[in-house]
Amino acid sequence: NAGVTQTPKFQVLKTGQSMTLQCAQDMNHNSMYWYRQDPGMGLRLIYYSASEGTTDKGEVPNGYNVSRLNKREFSLRLESAAPSQTSVYFCASREGAGGGSGNTIYFGEGSWLTVV
Amino acid sequence: GENVEQHPSTLSVQEGDSAVIKCTYSDSASNYFPWYKQELGKRPQLIIDIRSNVGEKKDQRIAVTLNKTAKHFSLHITETQPEDSAVYFCAASTYGNNRLAFGKGNQVVVIP
Repeated sequence: NAGVTQTPKFQVLKTGQSMTLQCAQDMNHNSMYWYRQDPGMGLRLIYYSASEGTTDKGEVPNGYNVSRLNKREFSLRLESAAPSQTSVYFCASREGAGGGSGNTIYFGEGSWLTVV
Repeated sequence: GENVEQHPSTLSVQEGDSAVIKCTYSDSASNYFPWYKQELGKRPQLIIDIRSNVGEKKDQRIAVTLNKTAKHFSLHITETQPEDSAVYFCAASTYGNNRLAFGKGNQVVVIP
């Protein structure tokens, strides 16, 4: 049981390049999330998927797209990378679809992305 | 939407002393309040959580208290140890809302 697995762990991109961050969970969770973490800014939600087949914008969705490929996988795509997207990206998953259910959010190990 | 704020942003304590981090939230309908610990270079991990139907919860050296009237909740760490040095995030969630709103984090430094 690996939990939440995301790849790649490290990536350097040139401005304007595109890339996809992959995420998979093996806990049969319904909800999946992508966060970015920047110094002093905490964890900011980019996009989330409450269940297979649905996706919704979070706080900072501009410049990103997502795909909930199936129940296990939720990918994040940068179509044209910008230096402002230099950050640590965390994928996460949660069993329930209701916020008050109290289900724990489990995070992946993070992906360090630098855009030059 | 929900707004969660944490204070202080950085806290330094002597080993063995207690540390308290306070979070305030804006949405009175929020009913689930977890705390996450993030060590340097690692992922955030849940350390304790509380629901709105209880006022306090303990787990060994850590505890969380909730004041629904004042809309704040606090993390208490007793007998601090060097391994408690980390960034701590609080969060709040409302029933029916699939999103957790995170605070910006508190850096706790335990001085040996």
